[in-house]
Amino acid sequence: AQSVTQPDIHITVSEGASLELRCNYSYGATPYLFWYVQSPGQGLQLLLKYFSGDTLVQGIKGFEAEFKRSQSSFNLRKPSVHWSDAAEYFCAVVGNQAGTALIFGKGTTLSVSS
Amino acid sequence: KAGVTQTPRYLIKTRGQQVTLSCSPISGHRSVSWYQQTPGQGLQFLFEYFSETQRNKGNFPGRFSGRQFSNSRSEMNVSTLELGDSALYLCASSLDGTITDTQYFGPGTRLTVL
Repeated sequence: AQSVTQPDIHITVSEGASLELRCNYSYGATPYLFWYVQSPGQGLQLLLKYFSGDTLVQGIKGFEAEFKRSQSSFNLRKPSVHWSDAAEYFCAVVGNQAGTALIFGKGTTLSVSS
Repeated sequence: KAGVTQTPRYLIKTRGQQVTLSCSPISGHRSVSWYQQTPGQGLQFLFEYFSETQRNKGNFPGRFSGRQFSNSRSEMNVSTLELGDSALYLCASSLDGTITDTQYFGPGTRLTVL
């Protein structure tokens, strides 16, 4: 069965420092991968997605992610974190059942220190 | 365009009661999916509707049901509420419900079962 693992439950980064959030997936075929962000009291906002092609994907708010098939990873990166980036981040993969059901990781909470 | 709207935003019910949550998708979107978010289980897929038909269902008991109307608005119903049903219920809509469609999430309905 498909699954997504986000190894880090909570990460604290200094403002202006770089960020990398880890995501590993388990999927038999070519995965469709997503990163979403959730601010307190809000729904999920899509940061970026990967379906095929260039393995380095650019998203909104200065985020990017790199798909590495050999490592079954889809890590999210940002070169310089802003205080407003503090939120919960979810990696997701579309399941192989009919439709478009997303399978989410448990999320990583990002705190930004000044 | 207005985003995905969910009503009500907050609900308090007691065990044994039933509840109906509503979701209005982005105008023109025909696919609506529902997810349950809890601290313990994270984000879990409930079901997906497309053109008034349930196309996909997650691993939830039959107490959880839903429907979609001809205007694509969707409702989900939970009967015989249990304490464990306390969660944030998120609705997401997409244009055509294809695997590469972006799913846009609403702010959620926070259900508390006492």
